[in-house]
Amino acid sequence: QVQLVESGGGVVQPGRSLRLSCAASGFTFSSYGMHWVRQAPGKGLEWVAVISYDGSNKYYADSVKGRFTISRDNSKNTLYLQMNSLRAEDTAVYYCAKVGAIFALLDAFDIWGQGTMVTVSS
Amino acid sequence: QSVLTQPPSASGTPGQRVTISCSGSSSNIGSNYVYWYQQLPGTAPKLLIYRNNQRPSGVPDRFSGSKSGTSASLAISGLRSEDEADYYCAAWDDSLHVVFGGGTKLTVL
Repeated sequence: QVQLVESGGGVVQPGRSLRLSCAASGFTFSSYGMHWVRQAPGKGLEWVAVISYDGSNKYYADSVKGRFTISRDNSKNTLYLQMNSLRAEDTAVYYCAKVGAIFALLDAFDIWGQGTMVTVSS
Repeated sequence: QSVLTQPPSASGTPGQRVTISCSGSSSNIGSNYVYWYQQLPGTAPKLLIYRNNQRPSGVPDRFSGSKSGTSASLAISGLRSEDEADYYCAAWDDSLHVVFGGGTKLTVL
């Protein structure tokens, strides 16, 4: 079945880096745009970044632009989020999500992973 | 402060009809599709409504979405206890960012 599994979360000190991964299965990963969305403890959803199906287009939320980098390896069916210069306010559950329409960017998130927790604390 | 505005809470009794509003602007809801997501306690969000009023397969027809101008709404009819969850509206913005509402916590009394 269609599945997304995030990994790589943990506790990290402010200013350090962390890389999240999202392993996809059950669909043709290379045909779909992918997103990262985060949720701080007890708070709502915040969009982080999107990457097109072929990796040629990437867009970021203002809050992470210049610090986070979204990428993908279609040969490994894996999405990544490289997070640098981490701040306390980056503490959240990070979800990867698949775009619903093939080859599209601007569409619903039809499949979500279970999330991975990132805690930024000294 | 979320770009899209939702009421923080809503409630209803079993069998009732409840609506949740979502207000935006001309650069997001006014010119792009609206999506709704349901997040049950302790779980990942789930797509409930896409492209303003379309239901993915498996979503009961008790859930419906609508959009008018720069506002949208989610209606839940025949309210059931398992509908108790957080509901989020979302839309693309013309700046190619995704914007979410702050979420509405639905309580079934």
